[in-house]
Amino acid sequence: GENVEQHPSTLSVQEGDSAVIKCTYSDSASNYFPWYKQELGKRPQLIIDIRSNVGEKKDQRIAVTLNKTAKHFSLHITETQPEDSAVYFCAASTGLTGNQFYFGTGTSLTVIP
Amino acid sequence: EAQVTQNPRYLITVTGKKLTVTCSQNMNHEYMSWYRQDPGLGLRQIYYSMNVEVTDKGDVPEGYKVSRKEKRNFPLILESPSPNQTSLYFCASSLGTGSVSGELFFGEGSRLTVL
Repeated sequence: GENVEQHPSTLSVQEGDSAVIKCTYSDSASNYFPWYKQELGKRPQLIIDIRSNVGEKKDQRIAVTLNKTAKHFSLHITETQPEDSAVYFCAASTGLTGNQFYFGTGTSLTVIP
Repeated sequence: EAQVTQNPRYLITVTGKKLTVTCSQNMNHEYMSWYRQDPGLGLRQIYYSMNVEVTDKGDVPEGYKVSRKEKRNFPLILESPSPNQTSLYFCASSLGTGSVSGELFFGEGSRLTVL
């Protein structure tokens, strides 16, 4: 089955700096790559996603890039704010809306004011 | 309000005592799934369902059962719970096949402790 690896496991940045989280996947059939944010004690919530026919997607301060050849995708957060502090999970899935979802192990991001 | 509702939110039980965690969504979603979240392991998919009466194993199905008799409900059944099933469980739903969105809508989570 699919194997998703996520790095780093923890990340601390100064407010206003950028944060980058990287994931790799193993199954070339995976074609949908969402990112979820989970605040402490809350449920995961989708922040951005990308499909395999797109190389990059941006939504305000958040962007995701996908390199299908290398089988890796990354989350970029610019101008970080304290409210960006959370655990971020990447995931990979096959199928248009996803059948099996494989999540990374998470990155705990701390934005220091 | 569009939501995924799980019950119970917290449960402490003993080894071998059958339990069911219910999950209900009011968004008419076709796709529903269950995950367990453990420290350092992220979210792992237990079972998923593409539609009524259609269920499939995820990555870690051992020790769990599910059913999908109605579109809105997708209960998770632990026939004989063991301590290694102590975890935080999330139910999630999404629109399903053919939708332009693959977004998973998660419930609030159910924290289960098996003694």
